[in-house]
Amino acid sequence: DTGVSQNPRHKITKRGQNVTFRCDPISEHNRLYWYRQTLGQGPEFLTYFQNEAQLEKSRLLSDRFSAERPKGSFSTLEIQRTEQGDSAMYLCASSLAEGTGELFFGEGSRLTVL
Amino acid sequence: GNSVTQMEGPVTLSEEAFLTINCTYTATGYPSLFWYVQYPGEGLQLLLKATKADDKGSNKGFEATYRKETTSFHLEKGSVQVSDSAVYFCALSDRDSTLTFGKGTMLLVSP
Repeated sequence: DTGVSQNPRHKITKRGQNVTFRCDPISEHNRLYWYRQTLGQGPEFLTYFQNEAQLEKSRLLSDRFSAERPKGSFSTLEIQRTEQGDSAMYLCASSLAEGTGELFFGEGSRLTVL
Repeated sequence: GNSVTQMEGPVTLSEEAFLTINCTYTATGYPSLFWYVQYPGEGLQLLLKATKADDKGSNKGFEATYRKETTSFHLEKGSVQVSDSAVYFCALSDRDSTLTFGKGTMLLVSP
């Protein structure tokens, strides 16, 4: 399968714990995006990378959130000191920088904070 | 800022009925417009797009026309199938391909 891969698919954690999600984009795509989706809402943009450079961050990305893409390939999204309001689906997408605006999404990582 | 408003669902139709899902947008500049679809248990995937005014995007029998004068991009299909049951998201992209999505509209098609 050469699509966007996200792990883990589901994470249950207790409030205050740290969690990390991983995204493996389509190999030739140099742009990688993170979105968050809560129940009944559309995906909300969090941040994106072009190669290893993080080019934009949403105000939704508080200080507890950090994202990396160290070698311009896979990316990680870490949430520190999780809160119940962080419970959501975290979506990763990738694209070509010179592309048509089409993003290829993974199936998402669902976070449940108890 | 940018925003997308789409009709609330669920939209419930019988097979072979005509479908319209309304979408309007607010944006600075001249965004590209998209419809994404999410089938049960799957990731979001692009259904169709239009990059400038009066363009018509089409795919799998679905169509949408970029209407700048009404800031709309309504999704239509002449005859829906049970397999079209999914959640449909209208979205816009003004730069760098960072998409702004609507809340999504669930479509349920019964045999």
